[in-house]
Amino acid sequence: NAGVMQNPRHLVRRRGQEARLRCSPMKGHSHVYWYRQLPEEGLKFMVYLQKENIIDESGMPKERFSAEFPKEGPSILRIQQVVRGDSAAYFCASSPVLPPTDTQYFGPGTRLTVL
Amino acid sequence: AQKITQTQPGMFVQEKEAVTLDCTYDTSDPSYGLFWYKQPSSGEMIFLIYQGSYDQQNATEGRYSLNFQKARKSANLVISASQLGDSAMYFCAMSNTGNQFYFGTGTSLTVIP
Repeated sequence: NAGVMQNPRHLVRRRGQEARLRCSPMKGHSHVYWYRQLPEEGLKFMVYLQKENIIDESGMPKERFSAEFPKEGPSILRIQQVVRGDSAAYFCASSPVLPPTDTQYFGPGTRLTVL
Repeated sequence: AQKITQTQPGMFVQEKEAVTLDCTYDTSDPSYGLFWYKQPSSGEMIFLIYQGSYDQQNATEGRYSLNFQKARKSANLVISASQLGDSAMYFCAMSNTGNQFYFGTGTSLTVIP
């Protein structure tokens, strides 16, 4: 059973470009979460999705960031017009059931560097 | 507001000794889960151990145990018989019925040979 998969593992963008980060949850998991980790900090929640629905996006910046989890295919975190402050590690996690009764399993992360 | 506090930015432990990493939490929800994750230098987040708020017994997973003191709102991680491979960042996290995970700022553990 493959774990949570994220790609790319490393992404370099110039200021103003778009970044697309992909996440395939573990098989059988229908809940997907995105987190951002700035250097030397813990993970900060961004958004929680189920298939075709955004359940909680309270941690997502209001502008330039969007997320989706289509019926088919991976979840996508999209950052438009990236700025240097977007440089961070972005982690996706999945779980089979609602919190708090089960853990979230994390992918390896995508390290975004904005030049 | 939900909050996780890890007050030890860095810890050192001698190989084969036990070490305790502190974590306190703050929530008004009666139902919540407490988790510890390990993040080695390679960057991935590795799940270590889980404790539910209604669990009567402290959770254990191999060399990891969680010292859960509900009244004090603490969930300390105990690593027994430390190994060199235990050197990493350790994050305490909490989830509640609000769907999110809340993470502490982490503790950097260094195991000394």
